[in-house]
Amino acid sequence: DQQVKQNSPSLSVQEGRISILNCDYTNSMFDYFLWYKKYPAEGPTFLISISSIKDKNEDGRFTVFLNKSAKHLSLHIVPSQPGDSAVYFCAASARNTGNQFYFGTGTSLTVIP
Amino acid sequence: EADIYQTPRYLVIGTGKKITLECSQTMGHDKMYWYQQDPGMELHLIHYSYGVNSTEKGDLSSESTVSRIRTEHFPLTLESARPSHTSQYLCASSPRRGQGSPLHFGNGTRLTVT
Repeated sequence: DQQVKQNSPSLSVQEGRISILNCDYTNSMFDYFLWYKKYPAEGPTFLISISSIKDKNEDGRFTVFLNKSAKHLSLHIVPSQPGDSAVYFCAASARNTGNQFYFGTGTSLTVIP
Repeated sequence: EADIYQTPRYLVIGTGKKITLECSQTMGHDKMYWYQQDPGMELHLIHYSYGVNSTEKGDLSSESTVSRIRTEHFPLTLESARPSHTSQYLCASSPRRGQGSPLHFGNGTRLTVT
């Protein structure tokens, strides 16, 4: 049973516009959420995180929003750049799972120049 | 910059062979993990370790084994490779200081068993 879901396998956005990547989770005990970026033939790279005590965290062009009641988080990239083209994974963990991370299936973002 | 190293990057091997995938990190992290990922699928945790001489199986059943004799080294071994083991294997580490620390990943080993 998949606890973290990314329902959009792919997304295309024009350069300069906003990219919004979505993630849903089912385990209400998750209290730490992360986004990773992955280029082909490389390992995932940590991008940004948020704990459940916050509803927003911002780092430069990247902002993560957390809606605990809806069990939903999103990653906003503004403005999108061609170098942002990659696969984005969301992940979640909870203290009661020994801090193990559960990953979504990823969303492939293509930023069109 | 790669503080966590995986070798080999690519491996093609015949059925029945024994293989060891290497993973080393230079960050002094206590926690280390092995994930398996197939294209379009989520990362599945197959093994983890919280320190020297500590190893645990993850959620995904795996025929592989791991060892943690040194903090920096966390190799994964398949005693007899099968085509069903064809996948990408990702090693990761994080510091012990509890939750709130992201995983650092290596570049992975893409294994093909013929």
